[in-house]
Amino acid sequence: RKEVEQDPGPFNVPEGATVAFNCTYSNSASQSFFWYRQDCRKEPKLLMSVYSSGNEDGRFTAQLNRASQYISLLIRDSKLSDSATYLCVVFTGGGNKLTFGTGTQLKVEL
Amino acid sequence: DAGVIQSPRHEVTEMGQEVTLRCKPISGHDYLFWYRQTMMRGLELLIYFNNNVPIDDSGMPEDRFSAKMPNASFSTLKIQPSEPRDSAVYFCASSSGYEQYFGPGTRLTVT
Repeated sequence: RKEVEQDPGPFNVPEGATVAFNCTYSNSASQSFFWYRQDCRKEPKLLMSVYSSGNEDGRFTAQLNRASQYISLLIRDSKLSDSATYLCVVFTGGGNKLTFGTGTQLKVEL
Repeated sequence: DAGVIQSPRHEVTEMGQEVTLRCKPISGHDYLFWYRQTMMRGLELLIYFNNNVPIDDSGMPEDRFSAKMPNASFSTLKIQPSEPRDSAVYFCASSSGYEQYFGPGTRLTVT
């Protein structure tokens, strides 16, 4: 079983839609969680951290469920510019080493 | 401030040749990571350094791959000899905390 698993998509949604991605992780000792965004042929960049209490940044909401070992990302009012691959990332300890999921591709269409 | 700098941005080489990828991390960051990304396997950690010392190289695929960090501002990833299956995008990233800052990557094609 992979340490971090994501549905690869693609998720094709119309502009203005709400879309949600889930991610599961296998190590219950995982300590910190993040969502990174990667545009086509570009490098990954941190989108937001995920806190146990849930956190929101504008149109983006991240949630963590430790009991079920999954993380979610909700995007409201999707924009064309949200089209990208969203990487679920887990820190399990040991230096600053992160484990990346393979990503979920989002395509927002007119 | 300059971000992570990688060179070259693109490299096309023939099987059997030596390839050297270069990275300059963000000043003040004490961690440096080398990743490889392919469509099939996603983003894989190859090796990482802390204060110029290699900490975990368990992701290095085989002895053909080697990495060095002679000082805090420079690291290299070398493949010798290169093979077609090494074709991928190689990213360098640096951090001082959990957030990792990635360079633009080197797109390597081995023919």
